[in-house]
Amino acid sequence: EDQVTQSPEALRLQEGESSSLNCSYTVSGLRGLFWYRQDPGKGPEFLFTLYSAGEEKEKERLKATLTKKESFLHITAPKPEDSATYLCAVQATGGFKTIFGAGTRLFVKA
Amino acid sequence: DAGVIQSPRHEVTEMGQEVTLRCKPISGHNSLFWYRQTMMRGLELLIYFNNNVPIDDSGMPEDRFSAKMPNASFSTLKIQPSEPRDSAVYFCASTRSAGDYNEQFFGPGTRLTVL
Repeated sequence: EDQVTQSPEALRLQEGESSSLNCSYTVSGLRGLFWYRQDPGKGPEFLFTLYSAGEEKEKERLKATLTKKESFLHITAPKPEDSATYLCAVQATGGFKTIFGAGTRLFVKA
Repeated sequence: DAGVIQSPRHEVTEMGQEVTLRCKPISGHNSLFWYRQTMMRGLELLIYFNNNVPIDDSGMPEDRFSAKMPNASFSTLKIQPSEPRDSAVYFCASTRSAGDYNEQFFGPGTRLTVL
């Protein structure tokens, strides 16, 4: 069964303290892995799509990487405005069903 | 562009009543997804349309749930009869082409409370 597991459930950082979020996945065949950001009371907002192991993408203080079993979202020198829930999702080959992980709640304190 | 539009934003109803949630996707997008989000189960895909045709409804929990997309600019998710366990935030998302695994644009959601 296709599955996505994110860790940690919650992460508290000081402003400027870099860290990484983990997304472990199990799929029969990976079509794509997605990272989204969700602020309270809002819908998820797209960040990245990764398609194959070894691929990396960057956007401002965020960098996403992908291996055959997991993805990392690295946050460099975070700011309070980076506080949000970060969701990881996968699409398996053979269909378009998108499976989301439970998310990591990130808190960045000034 | 106004983004994905959902209505109503909040709905409170009593058990047994019919509930209809509405979604207007972004113009030009040809794929539409309905999701449900709860604290216990996270974000779950209910059903997905491509070019107005339902492709995968395996996530629809029971026959009480139904979804339609009569045209490219409108979709509904109906629950009849509603039950307290249906209480959740329901999101609609659209994308230009599911085959290209493009980013999904999410609406603001409808918070449903069934008493």
